[in-house]
Amino acid sequence: DVVMTQSPLSLPVTLGQPASISCRSSQSLIYSDGNTYLNWFLQRPGQSPRRLIYKVSNRDSGVPDRFSGSGSGTDFTLKISRVEAEDVGVYYCMQGTHWPRTFGQGTKVEIK
Amino acid sequence: EVQLVESGGGLVQPGGSLRLSCAASGFTFTNYWMHWVRQAPEKGLVWVSLINSDGTITTTSYADSVKGRFTISRDNANNMLYLQMNSLRAEDTAVYYCVRAMLGTFDYWGQGTRVTVSS
Repeated sequence: DVVMTQSPLSLPVTLGQPASISCRSSQSLIYSDGNTYLNWFLQRPGQSPRRLIYKVSNRDSGVPDRFSGSGSGTDFTLKISRVEAEDVGVYYCMQGTHWPRTFGQGTKVEIK
Repeated sequence: EVQLVESGGGLVQPGGSLRLSCAASGFTFTNYWMHWVRQAPEKGLVWVSLINSDGTITTTSYADSVKGRFTISRDNANNMLYLQMNSLRAEDTAVYYCVRAMLGTFDYWGQGTRVTVSS
């Protein structure tokens, strides 16, 4: 199985400051169709996960533009340009290139 | 509006069985592969099972940890997804999410149903 490794696992941030989460895969996530199926999800406290980003850098409808995804191959990053209170929760990366689908361990973002 | 509503969770003894259901609405159910993903208490997300959308030939797949014990199925006429869970173990304790899939991604998640395996 493809192992997804996130860092850091805990990220205390100051409101209005930037934040960055890394996700690395044990194999390349480039699929045979040329796409890279790397997703980011946010799970707010007490809620189910919600997709934020798909195919590395495509934001879902309604996701603020302060969220951005980047990366290629095996190395990916989620950035929040200015953290707001509603951004608190656990962020997961997930690869959709290989079977079975696998998730990172999660990064807990909290306000300092 | 896409909605996925799980039900059927609860407390069951080790070795027991449960059948989870997921009612789908707001989209053409037959066009989508569907998955189950679970989350043990205070833990991360783990893929459990998938079923394809083709009504003629059914393709299913399972995580090694549940293979031979869990069975995924769907009723396309009634927009329902199921997970039959047999020979349940303590390590199956988790919130189980019904998830809609597109190529390479999971785009909609249900609210989850909690399964507790304990004597």
